Amino acid sequence: EPEVTQTPSHQVTQMGQEVILRCVPISNHLYFYWYRQILGQKVEFLVSFYNNEISEKSEIFDDQFSVERPDGSNFTLKIRSTKLEDSAMYFCAFSTGFDEQYFGPGTRLTVT
Amino acid sequence: LAKTTQPISMDSYEGQEVNITCSHNNIATNDYITWYQQFPSQGPRFIIQGYKTKVTNEVASLFIPADRKSSTLSLPRVSLSDTAVYYCLVGADDKIIFGKGTRLHILP
Repeated sequence: EPEVTQTPSHQVTQMGQEVILRCVPISNHLYFYWYRQILGQKVEFLVSFYNNEISEKSEIFDDQFSVERPDGSNFTLKIRSTKLEDSAMYFCAFSTGFDEQYFGPGTRLTVT
Repeated sequence: LAKTTQPISMDSYEGQEVNITCSHNNIATNDYITWYQQFPSQGPRFIIQGYKTKVTNEVASLFIPADRKSSTLSLPRVSLSDTAVYYCLVGADDKIIFGKGTRLHILP
């Protein structure tokens, strides 16, 4: 099974700070996704990204969030001004299209 | 996206076959049925996907009746390591909307 890596594994930040979560995609997988999971709750879709642009985003993905491929390889999720309610596990995922998605191990974000 | 309904939790014993049924009465013609597994503090993992009848892989089987309004994930001879949350998803595109899933607990 293809391996997806995410860094950092755990990020602690203060409210109002910016955080950048990183993901290394699988080669030849062109569809990128970010999800989050608040502790004890279900996995929530944030955004999908294809061909260097957002293809779909959820209501959660407001102006505080952005995604990029800054160097053509890594895939990042930026939260500009974190809030306490942003504390969650953040998962990136990849697919070749409308088939199975490969999820990373996640980044645990703790906002204090 | 079609709404899915699955049991909140299930218990079973090691070595047993486990069947988890998912209802999706409003499934559309183009929709596929996909199951994911999630262990605590890990990302979801794809198990199986199907459109109709039966699909089998090295991990599980997926049974889909002719009307496609439900599906059953079958896990043969479960072990303690199969304790996880199992999600039934229905859709025709790459956007995954997770429900609460079924929390499967395998007992020794």
